Amino acid sequence: GPKVLQIPSHQIIDMGQMVTLNCDPVSNHLYFYWYKQILGQQMEFLVNFYNGKVMEKSKLFKDQFSVERPDGSYFTLKIQPTALEDSAVYFCASSLTVNTGQLYFGEGSKLTVL
Amino acid sequence: AQSVTQPDARVTVSEGASLQLRCKYSYSATPYLFWYVQYPRQGLQLLLKYYSGDPVVQGVNSFEAEFSKSNSSFHLQKASVHWSDSAVYFCALSMSSAGNKLTFGIGTRVLVRP
Repeated sequence: GPKVLQIPSHQIIDMGQMVTLNCDPVSNHLYFYWYKQILGQQMEFLVNFYNGKVMEKSKLFKDQFSVERPDGSYFTLKIQPTALEDSAVYFCASSLTVNTGQLYFGEGSKLTVL
Repeated sequence: AQSVTQPDARVTVSEGASLQLRCKYSYSATPYLFWYVQYPRQGLQLLLKYYSGDPVVQGVNSFEAEFSKSNSSFHLQKASVHWSDSAVYFCALSMSSAGNKLTFGIGTRVLVRP
């Protein structure tokens, strides 16, 4: 079936550094998402993105976070600067339509901030 | 605010046995409800969804779920499991106009013994 690819699968960085998580969504999808899962907790919605703009973001989407998809390439989540509490698995997802709940997820990018 | 509770963190069953995974939700109206599955080294995949109508919904790989408004539940079932059903199962909900902003349960890890 359709696949969402995430790069890297795991990244370890020092607190205060910048990190960019990359997502290659399903090719004809129009809506893109990031979810965050802290170890032992539920996966939580961070942000959704459509037509070059953030549609909605949660309170977890701090000012240090940004998303973009320049020229239809990777959909990226950038964190600058990182903090210890940013350590989590970040899941990218995409969908063709909105409000159906049918998302396609990547395997996740595990971020460890030291 | 809405929430999803999956009371069983881990379930172990023998191959050929039946499986039931519990999911309770909290939401003031009737939400859209979903079960997603994450197989090892893969992204989450949609198993089935409930929007309205018949409370019993069929999904892929012979899974089915039953919506109960009175119990605020959406339990997942399979009559006879196979070793390949070993995975993590996530229950999720969204509001009808939520822009695919899903609220997830913590997940239930299922191990099927040969």
